[in-house]
Amino acid sequence: AQSVAQPEDQVNVAEGNPLTVKCTYSVSGNPYLFWYVQYPNRGLQFLLKYITGDNLVKGSYGFEAEFNKSQTSFHLKKPSALVSDSALYFCAVRFKRGNQGGKLIFGQGTELSVKP
Amino acid sequence: DTGVSQDPRHKITKRGQNVTFRCDPISEHNRLYWYRQTLGQGPEFLTYFQNEAQLEKSRLLSDRFSAERPKGSFSTLEIQRTEQGDSAMYLCASSQGSGGAAEQYFGPGTRLTVT
Repeated sequence: AQSVAQPEDQVNVAEGNPLTVKCTYSVSGNPYLFWYVQYPNRGLQFLLKYITGDNLVKGSYGFEAEFNKSQTSFHLKKPSALVSDSALYFCAVRFKRGNQGGKLIFGQGTELSVKP
Repeated sequence: DTGVSQDPRHKITKRGQNVTFRCDPISEHNRLYWYRQTLGQGPEFLTYFQNEAQLEKSRLLSDRFSAERPKGSFSTLEIQRTEQGDSAMYLCASSQGSGGAAEQYFGPGTRLTVT
């Protein structure tokens, strides 16, 4: 079955330290990969995506993600965490073609908590 | 660009009643998507439109659910004979283009509570 896994329900980081939020996927072919962030009482906001090319993708608010095809992973990273980064983060995949080319398949989410 | 809007933001209804939600996508976005999100889970795909054509429906979308996008602009999602299990956040998103690479922009959601 096609799926996305975020193995950590919660990640705790001290402000100023680097952060990593993990994502692995089990999808046939080479899907498009996305990260979204959800703040309380707000909608999902797009952070970044991997389409093709360089395995390191840069996105909004200083976030970046590294695509690893052999490990089927797409981990989200930031060199120096801010308290304001505290939120719920979702990894998602999307098929490149076929009649399943529209929908996003989301992971279950990882709660990031950055302490001062 | 005012973003994706959804109405209402909150809806409380009694079991067995019908409810209808509206989504207004970003103007000129030709694709519109509906997702459902329950507490502690990621959004789950329900259905999507390209212009006015409904291109895919999830098996989650039982026959009590129906979605329309009659003029290729706003969309409505109707749930008939609501059940307590329908309680969730219903999210709408839109994107531009026909390929899969375009990011989807999400609205704030409609929170449905079925009592």
